[in-house]
Amino acid sequence: DAGVIQSPRHEVTEMGQEVTLRCKPISGHDYLFWYRQTMMRGLELLIYFNNNVPIDDSGMPEDRFSAKMPNASFSTLKIQPSEPRDSAVYFCASSLGGISGNTIYFGEGSWLTVV
Amino acid sequence: AQSVAQPEDQVNVAEGNPLTVKCTYSVSGNPYLFWYVQYPNRGLQFLLKYITGDNLVKGSYGFEAEFNKSQTSFHLKKPSALVSDSALYFCAVSAWTGGFKTIFGAGTRLFVKA
Repeated sequence: DAGVIQSPRHEVTEMGQEVTLRCKPISGHDYLFWYRQTMMRGLELLIYFNNNVPIDDSGMPEDRFSAKMPNASFSTLKIQPSEPRDSAVYFCASSLGGISGNTIYFGEGSWLTVV
Repeated sequence: AQSVAQPEDQVNVAEGNPLTVKCTYSVSGNPYLFWYVQYPNRGLQFLLKYITGDNLVKGSYGFEAEFNKSQTSFHLKKPSALVSDSALYFCAVSAWTGGFKTIFGAGTRLFVKA
């Protein structure tokens, strides 16, 4: 069974460019999470969706960040324009909520470097 | 608002000795509590969770955790540490806030010395 699939795994981009990170959650999962991990701030929840609907985006740093989930099998996190301080590992994760206890399954991460 | 605290940045233990990684939480209502492990350059992997029932939860790789409601703690334990247990450990809490929101502690790096 395939896990959470993220692309690209690594991206290096110049400041000011648009960055799009992609995620395919585990089939049948109804929750999707985007996290950002840095040495300074640890693992931050940026936004999460339930049944493709954004529930809480209070962790999104600023208007340069946006996330969409057009269907149950795909989500994107976009940064426009990108800045060096956005350099981090971005994790997508999915889970089956409710009585199952909401165990989260993580992708391998997208390693973003903005120069 | 929910929160998770891992008071130790790093825990050092000798191989064969017992280990404890601490976690305390704050949440309204009934919490779902989790431990995850992260190896270098990888995503987080689920270790164990507490939903309800027995306060002692057993998980992968010989790890266990004890839920203590009065102390709002969920410490991770293992009777005998292995060098291969060296990794970054995260405690997490999931609570209903219009959806199941899961947040993570800052992480504790475990070093097991041979």
